Amino acid sequence: NAGVMQNPRHLVRRRGQEARLRCSPMKGHSHVYWYRQLPEEGLKFMVYLQKENIIDESGMPKERFSAEFPKEGPSILRIQQVVRGDSAAYFCASSGTSGIQNTGELFFGEGSRLTVL
Amino acid sequence: RKEVEQDPGPFNVPEGATVAFNCTYSNSASQSFFWYRQDCRKEPKLLMSVYSSGNEDGRFTAQLNRASQYISLLIRDSKLSDSATYLCVGDSSYKLIFGSGTRLLVRP
Repeated sequence: NAGVMQNPRHLVRRRGQEARLRCSPMKGHSHVYWYRQLPEEGLKFMVYLQKENIIDESGMPKERFSAEFPKEGPSILRIQQVVRGDSAAYFCASSGTSGIQNTGELFFGEGSRLTVL
Repeated sequence: RKEVEQDPGPFNVPEGATVAFNCTYSNSASQSFFWYRQDCRKEPKLLMSVYSSGNEDGRFTAQLNRASQYISLLIRDSKLSDSATYLCVGDSSYKLIFGSGTRLLVRP
């Protein structure tokens, strides 16, 4: 499967625990984006990364959230000390090097659905 | 004010109907615009790009009016399979900003 792979697809955490979401971009893609979608709402941009660099994290909450895209391995979105309001679908998307302004095509994974009890 | 605003709907139309969605954007620096489609509990997928000159892809026509900062999507001869949420998308500093989506329900 050459698509964007996210895991876990579903994650249940209790308040105060940590959630770690993983994303492997499409083969050959070096740009990764994370979006959050609350129930019945649109996708909200969180962070844009390239290998080993955070390019834009303007959508990330200042506390408890962090993201990385190491040289080797998947991109990780980490949420510490989760609260009920963190319950959402977290989508990862990737794009190639041509830039999204040209094609507009972000390839999305199927999402990771986090439920905080 | 949201960067990209859409009427949430839902639009409930019979098969064969023509339906139009509108969208406005606030960032005048945005250069590129797109429509994405998202099925229930699925990931969004690119439907089509939007050009100032207007562009058509089968039953779908997209239009951009930069002066009014307004984007539209027209769907002709609606099919049951068109039922989905349609997301208006603009670019902003090397990332895509999504509207909240307009929900379309096509009934038999």
